[in-house]
Amino acid sequence: AQKITQTQPGMFVQEKEAVTLDCTYDTSDQSYGLFWYKQPSSGEMIFLIYQGSYDEQNATEGRYSLNFQKARKSANLVISASQLGDSAMYFCAMRDLGGDSSYKLIFGSGTRLLVRP
Amino acid sequence: GAVVSQHPSWVICKSGTSVKIECRSLDFQATTMFWYRQFPKQSLMLMATSNEGSKATYEQGVEKDKFLINHASLTLSTLTVTSAHPEDSSFYICSARIIVTSYEQYFGPGTRLTVT
Repeated sequence: AQKITQTQPGMFVQEKEAVTLDCTYDTSDQSYGLFWYKQPSSGEMIFLIYQGSYDEQNATEGRYSLNFQKARKSANLVISASQLGDSAMYFCAMRDLGGDSSYKLIFGSGTRLLVRP
Repeated sequence: GAVVSQHPSWVICKSGTSVKIECRSLDFQATTMFWYRQFPKQSLMLMATSNEGSKATYEQGVEKDKFLINHASLTLSTLTVTSAHPEDSSFYICSARIIVTSYEQYFGPGTRLTVT
């Protein structure tokens, strides 16, 4: 069974500094996808970045980059130049090809990031 | 584009009553919608996968007779919590998958249910 592990329940970072949120995964599939979502206190899930297992380069989206280390089965999120608005819960997720090809997502337990001014 | 709405955004109901939550894809057609439940300070747990025109597929441990899911059209799925109890109080989030893409899901803003 697929599994996502986020070992950091909470993280602090100083404004304007970079921060890395850890995510490791376990799967026997050769083809898979990894996602990062941000969930502010309002509750909405905001898509940040996606990495496919066959993508040779690490994904980047603005201040977000994904440090993908396939051999280590890790997909850490790096946020550069942290802003106060980055304070939120962050979830790592993996695409799971269900029996009905529904591509459901399996989520990690999340990391709460607090950006200090 | 790719906007998903949920209604209501929050609801309070009495124990024993039923409550319906709607999930709509506003500007695209979604063959598949997903329903998640999130308890405070916890992660999202998938409850069921809803395909248009067919019965929903429920995750292990989710009572299908208690959480009724209907996906009557390509833009609307509903979740009905029947005979609600205080332990059903949670944040319910839906997401929708666009037909032409293989993996992207777009999330609704969520519905906070409180059962008194």
